[in-house]
Amino acid sequence: AQSVTQLGSHVSVSEGALVLLRCNYSSSVPPYLFWYVQYPNQGLQLLLKYTTGATLVKGINGFEAEFKKSETSFHLTKPSAHMSDAAEYFCAVSDRGTAGNKLTFGGGTRVLVKP
Amino acid sequence: DTAVSQTPKYLVTQMGNDKSIKCEQNLGHDTMYWYKQDSKKFLKIMFSYNNKELIINETVPNRFSPKSPDKAHLNLHINSLELGDSAVYFCASSLPGQGANYGYTFGSGTRLTVV
Repeated sequence: AQSVTQLGSHVSVSEGALVLLRCNYSSSVPPYLFWYVQYPNQGLQLLLKYTTGATLVKGINGFEAEFKKSETSFHLTKPSAHMSDAAEYFCAVSDRGTAGNKLTFGGGTRVLVKP
Repeated sequence: DTAVSQTPKYLVTQMGNDKSIKCEQNLGHDTMYWYKQDSKKFLKIMFSYNNKELIINETVPNRFSPKSPDKAHLNLHINSLELGDSAVYFCASSLPGQGANYGYTFGSGTRLTVV
């Protein structure tokens, strides 16, 4: 069975500082990996995804993530935090090739950006 | 021109009532899902339909019954609502198969409050 662990349910960063959100997964097959962002009282918006190819993936709003198979990790980074980055971030994994291909989510990390 | 639309956005109802949430997608996706987000923001899949066929049914009380009249619609009916059903319910859809085009699109959610 798949599982996703996000280290730290809350992260506080200063505006302009590095944002680093950690995600580790377990999967019996090479997974597809996703990061989603959820702003208050809104739905889930895809930030980026890894399906195949280059392991460093660039997404929207200046975020990027690197798939490291040996570490079973898919950490999300942004070099310089902006106030608008305050939100809840979810890492998710999907088995490729499975009917329905359900997403299994981590518990989420809430990012607070201090001025 | 919303990709995945859910109605209603908010739903407040009394215990014991029966209610439905509707979902429609105009992306041409074959697979649709219902996810539940609890008060701690944890997201868990409930159901998945592929081309009107139920393919994932997680451990959800049988008071919850999904219905897919066609592959663009997936509705969720809930009987005898309980306080613990209060949550945000997200509909999603995805492309089949594998590859770079693979992805999920989420609706904006339905916040259900049972009083």
